[in-house]
This record gives sequence, structure tokens and C-alpha cells, in this order.
Amino acid sequence: LAKTTQPISMDSYEGQEVNITCSHNNIATNDYITWYQQFPSQGPRFIIQGYKTKVTNEVASLFIPADRKSSTLSLPRVSLSDTAVYYCLVGGYMEYGNKLVFGAGTILRVKS
Amino acid sequence: DTAVSQTPKYLVTQMGNDKSIKCEQNLGHDTMYWYKQDSKKFLKIMFSYNNKELIINETVPNRFSPKSPDKAHLNLHINSLELGDSAVYFCASSEDGQGKNTQYFGPGTRLTVL
Repeated sequence: LAKTTQPISMDSYEGQEVNITCSHNNIATNDYITWYQQFPSQGPRFIIQGYKTKVTNEVASLFIPADRKSSTLSLPRVSLSDTAVYYCLVGGYMEYGNKLVFGAGTILRVKS
Repeated sequence: DTAVSQTPKYLVTQMGNDKSIKCEQNLGHDTMYWYKQDSKKFLKIMFSYNNKELIINETVPNRFSPKSPDKAHLNLHINSLELGDSAVYFCASSEDGQGKNTQYFGPGTRLTVL
């Protein structure tokens, strides 16, 4: 299983763009890259997923270089409510189930 | 309607007791999971069931026994509770067991063992 490395924490101000990079050097061919967001006292919530190049949805963008050994979650114009822990995961179909491995995550603090 | 629900939300009990946590999903998913999140916020998978069959069983003490009466329910029973079992337990579900499928998490059950 691919291990992921993320910064422990990041600080930002409201209205700024935040980029959180995740390293996954031993990503496998069939692994997808998925980001989850977790607020205090809540379960993780899916943000975005990609396999290669760039993916964009209504809340974030995900940039994946050609070698797929890293990925960057981009949050445009963050607000105070974006303060949360962000997890980068890699995982693919496995014969015996979808075994997602969560790392320590990145604590994002957005200040006013 | 809540997609993935867990009961109870809080559970405080004494060492040595047996307790259960219930989980239900109304998403029609085939695969359900139990995760444990410790005080350092590391989230670790414990079990995964696909259509009521166990497909992932991590290195978890056999005091923990999952039970899936149907594919919409995955309950977690814990025998002889220990102090180290104190954590937040999350149930999750996904369409099937494939890595590209989003997992939907419940609100969590905070277990405190005294």
C-alpha cells in the first residue's frame, strides 16, 4: 500500500488560495488519489478524487503530475469554515477489498 | 435522511464490560467498514464487509467482533473492554470494494473506558 506524506499543519487567511501537497512515491498503477476533509467531532467527508492530470469540482482542484508520485489539493479562496484536517489517501481495487490507509493528515487553520 | 448512522454517539463504560456499537447505511452500498481514530487523530481501518462477508480483518484483538445481519448494517461488539480501547469509532460505507469508490462516514462513536 502506498504511504502518504503531508505537512502536519498549515495556516492561511480568509480569501487566500491554499495548496496542500501530498507525497506518495510508491503509488501503484491502479491506485486512485482521494482527499477527505474532517471537522472536529465529525466523520471524514469526501472532497475530490483523481487518477492523473487535473480534476476540478465545486469545492477544490486536484493536480497530479505525470509521474503521480505527488498530488496537490487546491482550495480557492478559503473561509473560516474550511478549518479542518485534510487527509490524502491512495488506494485502488484490491482483490480483498478497498483498503484505504489514512495518514496523519494536514491541520488547516484559516484565520480572519 | 442520514446516510450512515451510528448509535450511540457517546459510550462511557468500565473496564471489563462488553459493549456494542450499531451502524446502518441507507445508501444501498455493498461494502461497510469500521475505523478507529485514536487521540492523535490517526484513522485506522479495522474491518470491512462486502455483502455481509468479511473481506478485511486488520490486526485487531479478537475481543472485537463485527457482525453484519444484512448489507445495510454492520455492528461492532467489543468484549472485555480495556483502557486502550478508548477512541472514536467510525463506520463507513462505499458502493463496492473498489478503491475509486467514495467512502461515506458516520458521525462517530466516542468510546471512553474508565
